[in-house]
Amino acid sequence: KAGVTQTPRYLIKTRGQQVTLSCSPISGHRSVSWYQQTPGQGLQFLFEYFSETQRNKGNFPGRFSGRQFSNSRSEMNVSTLELGDSALYLCASSSGGSDNSPLHFGNGTRLTVT
Amino acid sequence: AQTVTQSQPEMSVQEAETVTLSCTYDTSESDYYLFWYKQPPSRQMILVIRQEAYKQQNATENRFSVNFQKAAKSFSLKISDSQLGDAAMYFCASSGFKTIFGAGTRLFVKA
Repeated sequence: KAGVTQTPRYLIKTRGQQVTLSCSPISGHRSVSWYQQTPGQGLQFLFEYFSETQRNKGNFPGRFSGRQFSNSRSEMNVSTLELGDSALYLCASSSGGSDNSPLHFGNGTRLTVT
Repeated sequence: AQTVTQSQPEMSVQEAETVTLSCTYDTSESDYYLFWYKQPPSRQMILVIRQEAYKQQNATENRFSVNFQKAAKSFSLKISDSQLGDAAMYFCASSGFKTIFGAGTRLFVKA
């Protein structure tokens, strides 16, 4: 079974631009979660999508948004990029059921904002 | 609020020795799970061990075991017979309504 795939692996953007990151979950997984990882803050929860609906949301500004498609693939968008948005963005999928099944992570997208 | 605290930014262990990583958590949920994840330098996060909060018995996976103290809201990870491949960032996580991670502990293994 293929793992969680995130594209692209690396991105360099300029302040003020916008960016879209993509995540393909493990086949059969209906939940996709997004995390921002920085050296100082660790993993910060962005949001979770389940069956095309946002089920949970972290404490990030509205510039961070996401969506999930009918095939469970998910995209995350960040508009009006700031230097502080430079981070590793991790996507994780799970079955999303009530058993709190473990998260399966992708390799992440390294975003650098200059 | 749901929080996870790892008070050890770095730990070091000699190969073949035992090391314990600490984690405390807080949650208002009655039904939750606790996890330890490992992130090697290649950066893909993988599950190490999982504990269901309603089970009193501590989870064990080969050389990895936990000490789960529910009343104290403590969930430590013990790694026995440490190997060079255990060197990584270790994250403690609490899962209820959503999965929240601690800041991580970087483990160094000395040959």
